[in-house]
Amino acid sequence: GDSVTQMEGPVTLSEEAFLTINCTYTATGYPSLFWYVQYPGEGLQLLLKATKADDKGSNKGFEATYRKETTSFHLEKGSVQVSDSAVYFCALTPRPPGGYQKVTFGTGTKLQVIP
Amino acid sequence: NAGVTQTPKFQVLKTGQSMTLQCAQDMNHEYMSWYRQDPGMGLRLIHYSVGAGITDQGEVPNGYNVSRSTTEDFPLRLLSAAPSQTSVYFCASSYSSSPNQPQHFGDGTRLSIL
Repeated sequence: GDSVTQMEGPVTLSEEAFLTINCTYTATGYPSLFWYVQYPGEGLQLLLKATKADDKGSNKGFEATYRKETTSFHLEKGSVQVSDSAVYFCALTPRPPGGYQKVTFGTGTKLQVIP
Repeated sequence: NAGVTQTPKFQVLKTGQSMTLQCAQDMNHEYMSWYRQDPGMGLRLIHYSVGAGITDQGEVPNGYNVSRSTTEDFPLRLLSAAPSQTSVYFCASSYSSSPNQPQHFGDGTRLSIL
């Protein structure tokens, strides 16, 4: 079945450091890929998405590129802020013929940014 | 726009009790789903619905029932609560079941079963 693998957390960075959170996936066909962010006590919010190979999703300084050849969708940000502290989830939605949306989530990576 | 609203936010139950977690969305979304979030396991799909009157099982449906009588509401029922159902439950909706559509989440219900 489909699966998403994220790097283990927690990740602790100093403010203004460069962030990479790795995400790789296993799926048949060409899934859509997403990054969601969860702040403490809240639900998940869409951060960015990419729906086909070589697409780059971006939002709030975060970027991720859909790499079909390496089945990866790594999240990056050039300079993190304390307000970026949250849990980040990589997710995919498959494209089965005539199928319905069934999102597969990774286990989440907790990011802590210290001043 | 309220988005996706879940009630209650917190609940403590005794083993064997039943209860209903409420979920409502005001975005006229077709697709709604329930997830549970457990430490180290990410989110797992319990049940989903692609429209009023249509529901189906997800990855971990045992012990839960759902119904979708209106587009707006998608309640989740625990039939006989067990400690293994202690978790954080999230309801989500999306405009359609297209794989390109993101999901919109509620703030969650934190449920403890004693």
